[in-house]
Amino acid sequence: SAVISQKPSRDICQRGTSLTIQCQVDSQVTMMFWYRQQPGQSLTLIATANQGSEATYESGFVIDKFPISRPNLTFSTLTVSNMSPEDSSIYLCSVTGGSEAFFGQGTRLTVV
Amino acid sequence: AQSVSQHNHHVILSEAASLELGCNYSYGGTVNLFWYVQYPGQHLQLLLKYFSGDPLVKGIKGFEAEFIKSKFSFNLRKPSVQWSDTAEYFCAVKPGGSYIPTFGRGTSLIVHP
Repeated sequence: SAVISQKPSRDICQRGTSLTIQCQVDSQVTMMFWYRQQPGQSLTLIATANQGSEATYESGFVIDKFPISRPNLTFSTLTVSNMSPEDSSIYLCSVTGGSEAFFGQGTRLTVV
Repeated sequence: AQSVSQHNHHVILSEAASLELGCNYSYGGTVNLFWYVQYPGQHLQLLLKYFSGDPLVKGIKGFEAEFIKSKFSFNLRKPSVQWSDTAEYFCAVKPGGSYIPTFGRGTSLIVHP
């Protein structure tokens, strides 16, 4: 199993600003995943972050908007840039182990 | 690409009622199937999973799910719900060999005491 600490747990931000979300895992993992969970919708994968290489983004998500860092095997950050109210959502960090996915508690972002 | 449909978005039950949440997926190959639960204020956590073998799988807290390959379904059941089962439930499908599951949109379950 894996224990994931994610912070902040919530934030309220002004439009046009940026927020960086941190994700710390208690074990070394090759891949870390960032998801977005909008109200009433499923978890949508934003990108996959591998240590030592650029993140791989899913369709509809771009690096300029959601830059990701992966400096080592236990840590990653996701930045939500130039925020607008449409970015209000829950952002989740995830890792896999033994075919099971483990999640952080999520960051609830509200953009005003 | 695969997709996952959860038919019930909001379910309200009284304690001791039986529960069945529907989940259908679209993918023709080998799949791994999951149900995750998110209790209020807590992490998403695994409820149960199916990889192979007996299509009726049992998970934590009295939940079970049945994989029906011919119907591309993996419905979640519990014979008698409790107030503590109030949570959001997500079905997920992962093609064999893939690292990344696809999630349904979730079902919000409220159980009245």
